[in-house]
Amino acid sequence: QEQLVESGGGVVQPGRSLRLSCAASGFTFSSYGMHWVRQAPGKGLEWVALIWYDGTKKYYADSVKGRFTISRDNSKNTLYLQMNSLRAEDTALYYCSRARVLKGGFDPWGQGTLVTVSS
Amino acid sequence: DIQMTQSPSSLSASVGDRVTITCQASQDISNFLNWYQQKPGKAPRLLIYDASNLETGVPSRFSGSGSGTDFTFTISSLQPEDIATYSCQHYDNLPPYTFGQGTKLEIK
Repeated sequence: QEQLVESGGGVVQPGRSLRLSCAASGFTFSSYGMHWVRQAPGKGLEWVALIWYDGTKKYYADSVKGRFTISRDNSKNTLYLQMNSLRAEDTALYYCSRARVLKGGFDPWGQGTLVTVSS
Repeated sequence: DIQMTQSPSSLSASVGDRVTITCQASQDISNFLNWYQQKPGKAPRLLIYDASNLETGVPSRFSGSGSGTDFTFTISSLQPEDIATYSCQHYDNLPPYTFGQGTKLEIK
């Protein structure tokens, strides 16, 4: 079945970097755009970044622009999020999710990986 | 950027009740509106896409309506397993893809 599995989260000090990964299986990864969405503890969902199916276009939320970089390796069916200059407000559960073709909505979603930025 | 205002932020209802949640966009978004369900400790689940289309496998007691700036999500007869947080999301050709603040639904 279609599955997304995130990894790479952890505890990191402010100003440091972290790279998240999202392994996809059960579908043709190279045919779909992919998103990162985060959720701070006790808060709502926040869209973070989108990458087109072929990696040619990338979009970011203003809150992470210039600090985060989304990328993908279609040969490895893997999505990445490089997070630099991390701040306390970046503490959240980070989900990857698939963009759909010809209809709205993000589906499926991974189980999330927790990033905690703290000194 | 388009802002999404969702209400109420929390809601308590009895089993069998009809439950309604609203979402208002800061500008016309046509029907580019999705609804998600998120149970505690779980990832979001897409229920409704393009304002009124029921996702495959989602029970028919869930429905969505609206277009332009005003949207409604309805559970026709609340079941115990529907306890969750529900969020709307604006989705268009270009980001950002804004989520509403969420509605936490509890059983009375």
